[in-house]
Amino acid sequence: QKEVEQNSGPLSVPEGAIASLNCTYSDRGSQSFFWYRQYSGKSPELIMFIYSNGDKEDGRFTAQLNKASQYVSLLIRDSQPSDSATYLCAVDSNYQLIWGAGTKLIIKP
Amino acid sequence: NAGVTQTPKFQVLKTGQSMTLQCAQDMNHNSMYWYRQDPGMGLRLIYYSASEGTTDKGEVPNGYNVSRLNKREFSLRLESAAPSQTSVYFCASFPRVGETQYFGPGTRLLVL
Repeated sequence: QKEVEQNSGPLSVPEGAIASLNCTYSDRGSQSFFWYRQYSGKSPELIMFIYSNGDKEDGRFTAQLNKASQYVSLLIRDSQPSDSATYLCAVDSNYQLIWGAGTKLIIKP
Repeated sequence: NAGVTQTPKFQVLKTGQSMTLQCAQDMNHNSMYWYRQDPGMGLRLIYYSASEGTTDKGEVPNGYNVSRLNKREFSLRLESAAPSQTSVYFCASFPRVGETQYFGPGTRLLVL
């Protein structure tokens, strides 16, 4: 059974601080890794994707991938109250994406 | 360009009733998926269609059937609804394996 694990949280972070979200996966053959954000009652929307080991930055967001450790993370710098949401990690496996249960992030003003 | 659309947005069914959830995408994507999302759980794949004319079971297919009507449309049918099928259903599409999935707004289904 291929799995993606995330801490369910909630993770509480002060406004302006760095939020760090983590995800581990079991399928060593996975090549594509995604972070989605989901507001309550809404559908998931893509934040970042990463294919190669190392860091990928997009604005306030940085995705980090370590295939040897089977670990992917998302850093959010200068956290804003609008970043409060559930963050879903997804990992490709054959024709499917395997999804973590999500980490609920709360940014405190 | 509407992206991925789903109908209906909300539905209440009685146990044993049937219904079809509709999904359409206008992005010319090959692959379309149906997921369900339950509280505290990640998205679970019900069925997928990697390309027009093909459908395959995902993780939780029991109680559901699908039809890939054409490249744009992928429907999900509940033949005899059960309370365990109360959930939020999302349709997603994407161009190719390993690429970003785009989601519809979801259908909230309550089975009494």
